Amino acid sequence: SQKIEQNSEALNIQEGKTATLTCNYTNYSPAYLQWYRQDPGRGPVFLLLIRENEKEKRKERLKVTFDTTLKQSLFHITASQPADSATYLCAFRGSTLGRLYFGRGTQLTVWP
Amino acid sequence: DVKVTQSSRYLVKRTGEKVFLECVQDMDHENMFWYRQDPGLGLRLIYFSYDVKMKEKGDIPEGYSVSREKKERFSLILESASTNQTSMYLCASNPIGPLYGYTFGSGTRLTVV
Repeated sequence: SQKIEQNSEALNIQEGKTATLTCNYTNYSPAYLQWYRQDPGRGPVFLLLIRENEKEKRKERLKVTFDTTLKQSLFHITASQPADSATYLCAFRGSTLGRLYFGRGTQLTVWP
Repeated sequence: DVKVTQSSRYLVKRTGEKVFLECVQDMDHENMFWYRQDPGLGLRLIYFSYDVKMKEKGDIPEGYSVSREKKERFSLILESASTNQTSMYLCASNPIGPLYGYTFGSGTRLTVV
């Protein structure tokens, strides 16, 4: 079955550093991969979508890469701030009528 | 600003009650989804819908049903609430097409006692 994994449940980094979150998938070759941010007690918020032929996409301090050979996406937050502390979810679009499959998320904490 | 609105933020119900969770979106999206989210288990899809009166089972449909009588509204029904249905319930919507992310509601924290 299609599977998506986020390697780290938690990541703690110092303010100003670059946070790198990893998402791996198996048993499928998605054409699109998405990243979301979720704050405690709230619904996830869509951040970025990357297509398989894009390799890299940027939005302000965010950068996402998509390596179809490694079956992996990396999510980077540069110059991280305490306000970036949240859980980040990756998701890929499956073959069944376009539904998304979500990873369990990585909880990022940025300390001053 | 586009919105998905869930009728309740917090809900406490008794075992055996029939529970209705309502979700309304104002974006004219075709697709709507119901997830539950539990610590350590992530987001699990319960049901989804691609059109009015259409529904598809997700990964954990047992004990739930849904209704979509109007395009903007997608209701999740717990036929007979049980304590193992205590969870955060999240509704989402998106337009047809692969380039769109989901817009989620703020969630309903349901406690079944």
